[in-house]
Amino acid sequence: QKEVEQNSGPLSVPEGAIASLNCTYSDRVSQSFFWYRQYSGKSPELIMSIYSNGDKEDGRFTAQLNKASQYVSLLIRDSQPSDSATYLCAVTRAGSARQLTFGSGTQLTVLP
Amino acid sequence: DTGVSQDPRHKITKRGQNVTFRCDPISEHNRLYWYRQTLGQGPEFLTYFQNEAQLEKSRLLSNRFSAERPKGSFSTLEIQRTEQGDSAMYLCASTRQDYGYTFGSGTRLTVV
Repeated sequence: QKEVEQNSGPLSVPEGAIASLNCTYSDRVSQSFFWYRQYSGKSPELIMSIYSNGDKEDGRFTAQLNKASQYVSLLIRDSQPSDSATYLCAVTRAGSARQLTFGSGTQLTVLP
Repeated sequence: DTGVSQDPRHKITKRGQNVTFRCDPISEHNRLYWYRQTLGQGPEFLTYFQNEAQLEKSRLLSNRFSAERPKGSFSTLEIQRTEQGDSAMYLCASTRQDYGYTFGSGTRLTVV
């Protein structure tokens, strides 16, 4: 079992719709959770971080964390074609010097 | 804040040659990380520095790989006797203690 699992996609949504990206992790002591966006040929860019159960909103992005279910998600409201990218989920564990373990990413395409 | 800078952006080398990459982190960031990313996968942790001390190394980091961070500033990653399996994007990231990573643009290595 991979430490961090994501559906590879591709996930396609129409412009203006809500895109929902999901991630599960295997290590119960995972502490911090991040979503990165990566455009083709570019490096990952941090878009959201979440540390406690519940929802965290930042503009059109909402991260949701459920530690009991070992599940973290990212919602993108009013999706735009510029949101088309690969979204990487990453987690850290206690005592790991904030070493990030990444999932393989979900490829999102927003159709005009 | 000039971001994390990596050099070179691209490197093509013949199998068996040595290569060295450089990373200049954001100046106030004391933590520096090296990751490797292959196509369709998330970044994989290689090694971590806090200031000048190399505190963690992945099992992925064979004895052909070495990293340094003299004086806690820039870092270098050297790969000796390159193999085709070393072809990947090598990403450097830096952070302060309680913040998410900032990645550099990466160095894309192709071993022919």
